[in-house]
Amino acid sequence: AQTVTQSQPEMSVQEAETVTLSCTYDTSENNYYLFWYKQPPSRQMILVIRQEAYKQQNATENRFSVNFQKAAKSFSLKISDSQLGDTAMYFCAFMKGTGNQFYFGTGTSLTVIP
Amino acid sequence: KAGVTQTPRYLIKTRGQQVTLSCSPISGHRSVSWYQQTPGQGLQFLFEYFSETQRNKGNFPGRFSGRQFSNSRSEMNVSTLELGDSALYLCASSLQGSREEGETQYFGPGTRLLVL
Repeated sequence: AQTVTQSQPEMSVQEAETVTLSCTYDTSENNYYLFWYKQPPSRQMILVIRQEAYKQQNATENRFSVNFQKAAKSFSLKISDSQLGDTAMYFCAFMKGTGNQFYFGTGTSLTVIP
Repeated sequence: KAGVTQTPRYLIKTRGQQVTLSCSPISGHRSVSWYQQTPGQGLQFLFEYFSETQRNKGNFPGRFSGRQFSNSRSEMNVSTLELGDSALYLCASSLQGSREEGETQYFGPGTRLLVL
């Protein structure tokens, strides 16, 4: 079975600062994919960033980057130059290489303070 | 390109009733997955449909069912509603679903169901 753990239920950051959201997962799979999704108060889930487990290079998308540590089964999200629009619930998600099912963490509520 | 749409956005039902939720995927997407989101259980996978066939199913009772039409639109049905079925129901679409490894899914805005 796959489990995803987000140990920080709530976090806050000052505008323009950097924040890191933690995610760990447990799996016996060797081929899998990891995602970070953002769910603003409007409720629409939006993909933030995606990482293939077979890639050693950490994924980056503009101000968003990940620190993927496969051996430690850790997948943290770093948000640089935080903006007010980054305020949202952030979910870490795991997907096996075979199949299309997400296993989600419980989420981290991030508030960006002006 | 239009995103994933879900109707209705809000729904109030009473215990014992049944409900049908609808999801229209992004044009060209053939896979539709459904998730239930509650404060207590978080986001849980219900099922995935591809080309009108259920390809994968989560750990939910048989009261939860779904189907997919030839145009890839999907419906989810919950019969004999219980108070615990109150949740946000999200659908997500992707091009090939489980036929393609690690495919990104695009979520709809969800249907908020309240069971009284």
